[in-house]
Amino acid sequence: KAGVTQTPRYLIKTRGQQVTLSCSPISGHRSVSWYQQTPGQGLQFLFEYFSETQRNKGNFPGRFSGRQFSNSRSEMNVSTLELGDSALYLCASSFRIETDTQYFGPGTRLTVL
Amino acid sequence: GENVEQHPSTLSVQEGDSAVIKCTYSDSASNYFPWYKQELGKRPQLIIDIRSNVGEKKDQRIAVTLNKTAKHFSLHITETQPEDSAVYFCAAGTGANSKLTFGKGITLSVRP
Repeated sequence: KAGVTQTPRYLIKTRGQQVTLSCSPISGHRSVSWYQQTPGQGLQFLFEYFSETQRNKGNFPGRFSGRQFSNSRSEMNVSTLELGDSALYLCASSFRIETDTQYFGPGTRLTVL
Repeated sequence: GENVEQHPSTLSVQEGDSAVIKCTYSDSASNYFPWYKQELGKRPQLIIDIRSNVGEKKDQRIAVTLNKTAKHFSLHITETQPEDSAVYFCAAGTGANSKLTFGKGITLSVRP
């Protein structure tokens, strides 16, 4: 099976702009979670989608949002970018929602200038 | 919410020695504990996980032990090799959802 894929792999944006990141889960997986990885904070949970519904949300401001499509592909959007949003954004997919094994994508490296 | 801490933050061992990485968690409801390995510039990869109904799990050179009473779990790597050098993350999750809380990671260096 193909692994989790994320596009784009790298992005450079300026403050105030918005960005949309995409994640395609492993075929058959219906749960997609998003994480922000930074050197100082490590991996922090953003949100999780299952069957097109947001099931969990982490402690991030409303500028961070996401959605999931009927084919389980997911997008996350960050509006009004800030310098502190520079990070590696990872998505992970799993078959079920109940603490199932999560498989990570390669991530999107976002740099905000 | 859950809080996961890893100790130590860095660990250096000689090739062939064993390495032990310990994590503590705060939420007694957590019942799923995976360990991920992340090599430089690569995605985190699951190396082993344990659920709260077992105390130990082994997979070749890697083992994880869980102490629910003390709320800590540990990763044991035996006969370390240079390719074991990476950042290792522990995480804890609670039954009805997939939300994982990660530790900050530990950098393991295996000296040839």
